[in-house]
Amino acid sequence: AQSVTQPDIHITVSEGASLELRCNYSYGATPYLFWYVQSPGQGLQLLLKYFSGDTLVQGIKGFEAEFKRSQSSFNLRKPSVHWSDAAEYFCAVGPLGGNLIFGKGTKLSVKP
Amino acid sequence: GAVVSQHPSWVICKSGTSVKIECRSLDFQATTMFWYRQFPKQSLMLMATSNEGSKATYEQGVEKDKFLINHASLTLSTLTVTSAHPEDSSFYICSAIDPGLPYEQYFGPGTRLTVT
Repeated sequence: AQSVTQPDIHITVSEGASLELRCNYSYGATPYLFWYVQSPGQGLQLLLKYFSGDTLVQGIKGFEAEFKRSQSSFNLRKPSVHWSDAAEYFCAVGPLGGNLIFGKGTKLSVKP
Repeated sequence: GAVVSQHPSWVICKSGTSVKIECRSLDFQATTMFWYRQFPKQSLMLMATSNEGSKATYEQGVEKDKFLINHASLTLSTLTVTSAHPEDSSFYICSAIDPGLPYEQYFGPGTRLTVT
């Protein structure tokens, strides 16, 4: 079955600290992987995506993610979190040009 | 980047009435649009795939007679919630595929529906 697992429902980090959000997927074909961020009451903004090539991808707002095929993971990282990063983060997998399967999301809170 | 809009951004309606939500691709033509539903503090669940000029494909468990989808043009898809009930209250998000750039979906800002 195709699925995305985000094991952490809620994470709290201090401003300036590093961040890693976990994402594991189960997908039968070549996975196209995405990370989105959603602020309260808002739509989704694409942070980054992976299709092929370099397994470390850079995104907007200083985020990066690493694709590890052997671990079926696509974890999101940021070296120094800002208060404005507080939001809900969704990992997703899907085919090229098709609908996406989303994880349940990880809520990020940032302590001053 | 490509822009997808939704209208209205929020709507309140009474039980038994119908409400229409519009999803527009503003600067590209989208042959395929998706409709998702998001319950509070939950993930997005695909409701249906909307293809221009053809009938929508609904996911299992989604009532096609209740959630009417019309993709009448390459820039507009509509979702009509018919005979709405309080349990239909949710956040509805559409997305669109730019056929020239099929590597990602562009999401609308969402529509908050509250049925009283």
